[in-house]
Amino acid sequence: DIVMTQSPLSLPVTLGQPASISCRSSQSLVYSDGNTYLNWIHQRPGQSPRRLLYRVSIRDSGVPDRFSGSGSGTYFTLKISRVEAEDIGVYYCVQGSQWPRTFGQGTKLEIK
Amino acid sequence: QVLLVESGGGLVEPGGSLRLTCTTSGFSYKFNEYYLTWIRQAPGKGLELVAYITGHFDTYYADSVKGRFAISRDNANELVFLQMNRLTAEDTGVYFCVRDSYGLDFWGRGTLVTVSS
Repeated sequence: DIVMTQSPLSLPVTLGQPASISCRSSQSLVYSDGNTYLNWIHQRPGQSPRRLLYRVSIRDSGVPDRFSGSGSGTYFTLKISRVEAEDIGVYYCVQGSQWPRTFGQGTKLEIK
Repeated sequence: QVLLVESGGGLVEPGGSLRLTCTTSGFSYKFNEYYLTWIRQAPGKGLELVAYITGHFDTYYADSVKGRFAISRDNANELVFLQMNRLTAEDTGVYFCVRDSYGLDFWGRGTLVTVSS
């Protein structure tokens, strides 16, 4: 199974400041079709997870453009340009290139 | 609009059984073309893939549930099931039904399973 490793695991951020989360996979996430299936999901307290980004950098419908994703191969980054109060919760990277799907440990973003 | 709604959770004693149902709607393509998964989250913990089923009824189980859980699907009625037997306290958590399309794209709200005497 592919191991996904996130850092940091805890991320205190001041409102309006940027935030960045990294995710590393134990093997390349480039699929046989040439695409890289790395998703980011967000779980607010008490809610179910919701996908934010797919294929590294494509935002899902309704996701603000302050969220961006980058990376390739085995190293990926989620960036929030200016953190807002609604961004609190846990962020997970999850790979979609191989079964079984595997998750990072999660990064808890909180407001300072 | 894609929807997945889980039901069937509850309180059960160790060694007992539960059957979870996921009712789906709004899939833009044929339901039987999608992989469907059950993912669980223990209290205060991360996400764990429990089982998945392909459109052709192939299945996968996490080692922690192999031999105790069974995933199935009803393509005609667009339903997914998770039969859980010989439950233990370690199975306690919220169980999410999730569609997969090159990654987990749509999530249900989850159903809580509590295993306790």
